[in-house]
Amino acid sequence: QKEVEQDPGPLSVPEGAIVSLNCTYSNSAFQYFMWYRQYSRKGPELLMYTYSSGNKEDGRFTAQVDKSSKYISLFIRDSQPSDSATYLCAANSASKIIFGSGTRLSIRP
Amino acid sequence: DTAVSQTPKYLVTQMGNDKSIKCEQNLGHDTMYWYKQDSKKFLKIMFSYNNKELIINETVPNRFSPKSPDKAHLNLHINSLELGDSAVYFCASSQDREGSTGELFFGEGSRLTVL
Repeated sequence: QKEVEQDPGPLSVPEGAIVSLNCTYSNSAFQYFMWYRQYSRKGPELLMYTYSSGNKEDGRFTAQVDKSSKYISLFIRDSQPSDSATYLCAANSASKIIFGSGTRLSIRP
Repeated sequence: DTAVSQTPKYLVTQMGNDKSIKCEQNLGHDTMYWYKQDSKKFLKIMFSYNNKELIINETVPNRFSPKSPDKAHLNLHINSLELGDSAVYFCASSQDREGSTGELFFGEGSRLTVL
């Protein structure tokens, strides 16, 4: 079992829709949880990070962590074609960051 | 001015050859990493260096040898290339040793194809 599991998609939604991306994890020691966005042929870039359980909002993006169920979510409101990318969830374990396999998201104009 | 730059961007080579990928960061970070991303987009850490000292060495064949001449540079040398080495290799850096806040800065990747 991978430490961080993520549905690879692809996920295709119309412009303006609310997008929900999810991950599960197995290691209770994880404390920091991240979402990275990766455009085609580019390196991943950090979108948001959350410490422990709770919500964090940044513009149209909301990250949510539920440590009791080991569930990580990213919500995108009013989705735009420019949001089309692969989204990778990740969690911190001791000295390294473990990534999910990424969900490919496509926003249709 | 690129923060994390790696060269070459594309590399096509024959099985059995030896190749190197270079990485440089101008962010003043102490920690640098090599990650491998396979065709399914799964990103897996290979090595991590903090101020020229190796701190993470995942289960990677010893054909892969990282070298850090100074804290701004981390190179990756691969001997006797195999078909399974085909992937995108990403260099990254972080401010803190463990990358505890999760903020890694990635280069654009080096796409290696082994024929």
